[in-house]
Amino acid sequence: KNQVEQSPQSLIILEGKNCTLQCNYTVSPFSNLRWYKQDTGRGPVSLTIMTFSENTKSNGRYTATLDADTKQSSLHITASQLSDSASYICALYNFNKFYFGSGTKLNVKP
Amino acid sequence: DSGVTQTPKHLITATGQRVTLRCSPRSGDLSVYWYQQSLDQGLQFLIQYYNGEERAKGNILERFSAQQFPDLHSELNLSSLELGDSALYFCASSVEDEETQYFGPGTRLLVL
Repeated sequence: KNQVEQSPQSLIILEGKNCTLQCNYTVSPFSNLRWYKQDTGRGPVSLTIMTFSENTKSNGRYTATLDADTKQSSLHITASQLSDSASYICALYNFNKFYFGSGTKLNVKP
Repeated sequence: DSGVTQTPKHLITATGQRVTLRCSPRSGDLSVYWYQQSLDQGLQFLIQYYNGEERAKGNILERFSAQQFPDLHSELNLSSLELGDSALYFCASSVEDEETQYFGPGTRLLVL
């Protein structure tokens, strides 16, 4: 069973709208939780890194939250742009090992 | 541009063959990570090197090996290739373990 589950698998939204992507995990303990953006055929780009003790981390229009009690993280994208169309991957780092979710594919339409 | 370079960009080879993928980290980064990404498996961590020494191992097959050289570039060797090894192979680098990783553009391997 995958220790990092992301939902939804795919999402279509209109340009300018907000959206929230979910990441549920069972990995415990962990050092930090990361969100990546990956354009098709390219390497992932780091958006946020949160330690286990942080609740929220922002990077421009991207805001990640972490609830250690429910073992959930979310990535909120504000005022979406066409360039936000990509896959978003959640990953947990635990003692030199990485656990990746399968990603959410976001399509922003004009 | 992340500053991490990978060669070659594309590689087509046959089953049973051996290939070497190369990665040059960002200037100043001591850690190098290798990842495999296939359509059905997603992104998987293979192995990490730090300043020439193996630091962590993930889901790396025994047919695969890696090393990091004194100039900090790294090579991933894949041998006895199988059809299922076809994937994108990414290298990433960071200053330290807990820091941001910067990914290279990847090497797309196709095993026929």
